[in-house]
Amino acid sequence: GAVVSQHPSRVICKSGTSVKIECRSLDFQATTMFWYRQFPKQSLMLMATSNEGSKATYEQGVEKDKFLINHASLTLSTLTVTSAHPEDSSFYICSAREAYGNTEAFFGQGTRLTVV
Amino acid sequence: RKEVEQDPGPFNVPEGATVAFNCTYSNSASQSFFWYRQDCRKEPKLLMSVYSSGNEDGRFTAQLNRASQYISLLIRDSKLSDSATYLCVVNMRRYGGATNKLIFGTGTLLAVQP
Repeated sequence: GAVVSQHPSRVICKSGTSVKIECRSLDFQATTMFWYRQFPKQSLMLMATSNEGSKATYEQGVEKDKFLINHASLTLSTLTVTSAHPEDSSFYICSAREAYGNTEAFFGQGTRLTVV
Repeated sequence: RKEVEQDPGPFNVPEGATVAFNCTYSNSASQSFFWYRQDCRKEPKLLMSVYSSGNEDGRFTAQLNRASQYISLLIRDSKLSDSATYLCVVNMRRYGGATNKLIFGTGTLLAVQP
């Protein structure tokens, strides 16, 4: 299957700082990338959908000014957690699809964020 | 009501057993369906897509009932390596013409015992 690389895999930051997470599709062009968050023993919750060259679509309850998404190219999307707080500590995971429609989504390895 | 609902389990079964997972979804306009597997602290990986006519891949069989908005996964002859969380995933239509979105169920935890 296609490869999606997510970086960093693990980050610890101080409260109030910002953290950027990168998601790259390595061998295909991803027109759409999804950002999810997963708390322990819970499922993946969709945060937002990013389409290359346009604004991200955020799910209800997700603050767009706090979770900044940029999808500037067909192979890279970034999620920036601004002014992080301990409650933002979670597992963040991206996925990418090659084309519009009903194709399989491939997942990055995830980023475990701990805010202290 | 949640968009995608699953029984969280855990399902504890002996090796060799047959186990079935169910999933229901709320949006009748949903277009495609998948089962993903997630191992502890790892990313989800596609197990199989679910087709209207039902489909089988080795020991795994997936079924879709659009009228009841219900999806199932059957695992035969369970192996220890099947122990994982199984996620029901629905590709949902997003109103207003925006890109469809993949919505995950809470997952069903399977523990196969020796």
